[in-house]
Amino acid sequence: GAVVSQHPSRVICKSGTSVKIECRSLDFQATTMFWYRQFPKQSLMLMATSNEGSKATYEQGVEKDKFLINHASLTLSTLTVTSAHPEDSSFYICSARDQGGEQFFGPGTRLTVL
Amino acid sequence: KNEVEQSPQNLTAQEGEFITINCSYSVGISALHWLQQHPGGGIVSLFMLSSGKKKHGRLIATINIQEKHSSLHITASHPRDSAVYICAVSPDSWGKLQFGAGTQVVVTP
Repeated sequence: GAVVSQHPSRVICKSGTSVKIECRSLDFQATTMFWYRQFPKQSLMLMATSNEGSKATYEQGVEKDKFLINHASLTLSTLTVTSAHPEDSSFYICSARDQGGEQFFGPGTRLTVL
Repeated sequence: KNEVEQSPQNLTAQEGEFITINCSYSVGISALHWLQQHPGGGIVSLFMLSSGKKKHGRLIATINIQEKHSSLHITASHPRDSAVYICAVSPDSWGKLQFGAGTQVVVTP
């Protein structure tokens, strides 16, 4: 099946720094990518929908200035957590939607903010 | 109230047993997805359904649109099937998903 990669898989940073997470569709073009956050023992929560060449659409309660999303090409979307704080520590997962409507998920990025 | 309800929340089975996980939803959907999440966190898309039944190996997924219900079956379960299984629905054609809480499945040897 289609492959979606995420980089890095794990990151530890100091409070106040910014962290960029990349999501790539490796063998298909994805006009739409989604960013999710998952806290321990909880289900995935959609943060934003990322469309190539346009501004991301954020879910209610998600700060767009804190979670910057760029979808520069049909195979790459990036999520930047700006001025990270310990409460931003979470598991961040992206998915990419192919033309058939199926979604393929990345392996996730575990962010720990000290 | 979550618009996607899964049951059971937890399930333990012995190797070889037949497993069924249920998903009920309360919204109109364009598609329903079954996902598998292993302890490391990575998520695998198992099925995307809009009607009927799909089979892949030992996994079978069914959906009844009129009753707003789907089931995921695992035949001849194996310890490597141990994971969290998540039901998710697409209320529209844009692909946004609403997730169930997941079912933790443990298959013992």
